[in-house]
Amino acid sequence: ETAVFQTPNYHVTQVGNEVSFNCKQTLGHDTMYWYKQDSKKLLKIMFSYNNKQLIVNETVPRRFSPQSSDKAHLNLRIKSVEPEDSAVYLCASSLGLDSQNTLYFGAGTRLSVL
Amino acid sequence: KTQVEQSPQSLVVRQGENCVLQCNYSVTPDNHLRWFKQDTGKGLVSLTVLVDQKDKTSNGRYSATLDKDAKHSTLHITATLLDDTATYICVVGDRGSALGRLHFGAGTQLIVIP
Repeated sequence: ETAVFQTPNYHVTQVGNEVSFNCKQTLGHDTMYWYKQDSKKLLKIMFSYNNKQLIVNETVPRRFSPQSSDKAHLNLRIKSVEPEDSAVYLCASSLGLDSQNTLYFGAGTRLSVL
Repeated sequence: KTQVEQSPQSLVVRQGENCVLQCNYSVTPDNHLRWFKQDTGKGLVSLTVLVDQKDKTSNGRYSATLDKDAKHSTLHITATLLDDTATYICVVGDRGSALGRLHFGAGTQLIVIP
């Protein structure tokens, strides 16, 4: 049963535009994440949020910024997209800080930058 | 440098056959290892997590092993079904908290044919 909801499913845009992806989890989890999945299926963590506080911030371009209004929501904003940003962006949540907790993933948002 | 290597890259089996997926890693420390299933266009679903130095888990038709000395894990799928067609991703966590890193493999694409 889906409990991590991402919108939109797909987004096509041009270089230099701003985009925003939404993620909501209904599991009552304290920790949420954004991952980027490249064409080779490799996932790389971008951000982790625990109770609205950024706790892990991987070295990602500054045009990326996470935005959270409460612990159930973690959005991803890209200020000025580049061609290399084309990928699938996966949102996930977990119960807490223990990474042995199961990660629950959304279906992903596929971004295509023309 | 890729720290989690999965093999084979892709695999085709007939419905009802068994299959084995391999995961070798160089992540240190290796706190835990998790196998995920990713259906096409969907998010990741956790199948099992392995924690101990030499661990075994079973979840229905899925069973997995971990040998931390060899830094090697296997995922066995018995009596495959058409719905098992997906990408299976091995993930190694280097700590027991979200402050640690999750290292993702590129996945094994399994195709089950009638």
